[in-house]
Amino acid sequence: QSALTQPASVSGSPGQSITISCTGTSSDIGAYNFVSWYQQRPGKAPKLIIFDVSNRPSGVSDRFSGSKSGNTASLTISGLQTEDGAHYYCHSFAGTSTHVVFGGGTKLTVL
Amino acid sequence: EVQLVESGGGLVQPGGTLRLSCAASGFAFSDYVMSWVRQAPGKGLEWVSAITGGGDSTFYAGSVKGRTTISRDNSKDTLYLQMNSLRADDAAVYYCAKNPNHSMFYDILTGYYTAFGSNYYMDVWGRGTTVTVSS
Repeated sequence: QSALTQPASVSGSPGQSITISCTGTSSDIGAYNFVSWYQQRPGKAPKLIIFDVSNRPSGVSDRFSGSKSGNTASLTISGLQTEDGAHYYCHSFAGTSTHVVFGGGTKLTVL
Repeated sequence: EVQLVESGGGLVQPGGTLRLSCAASGFAFSDYVMSWVRQAPGKGLEWVSAITGGGDSTFYAGSVKGRTTISRDNSKDTLYLQMNSLRADDAAVYYCAKNPNHSMFYDILTGYYTAFGSNYYMDVWGRGTTVTVSS
């Protein structure tokens, strides 16, 4: 069982927007603005798409955005494209004992 | 171009030992925190361990603490992960990853400084090396 809770799957049609939630606790997501998101296509290494809740690395499309409210972080993908079909993982700093935690991952299907 | 190339994976018997390596290039290796993250077949990502740029501080997940050692040789731009007493649930693809280079973070909740706070995320990943644990 993962420390952060994500829906197992979400789906959407090209052009639509979807949001993936990531629920933690007051010891991780709720305590720090240190949430990141990764995209992983089949057979590939993960790719960083959001860090520090809402920042995008250089080269990542502005269709990806992140936010946080309380113990829950969210990743929104707007203007869905077929290439967005992948697994998405949230990740949070969790203090000096646990260090970091991942979510279980969400499979995005673009119909 | 920043590049991370893992090696050292393979088949190992339960209870055995394995040493993974990660050759880094394209950046000032000794300036950055580095991590290992693993992914069991068909499962999600699990952070394993991290080490500061100078190698003076190390961090471990509870699932591997006590039987795993992370280290680095900055003269060779290489990161290592030594795993002992391997179990079936250690079987996974092991990824080497680069963390950013931010200053120490003061964790107000615990009252401790940590090099891992603001450097928690991984901005570059290798392709991974596969570890199989089986007799």
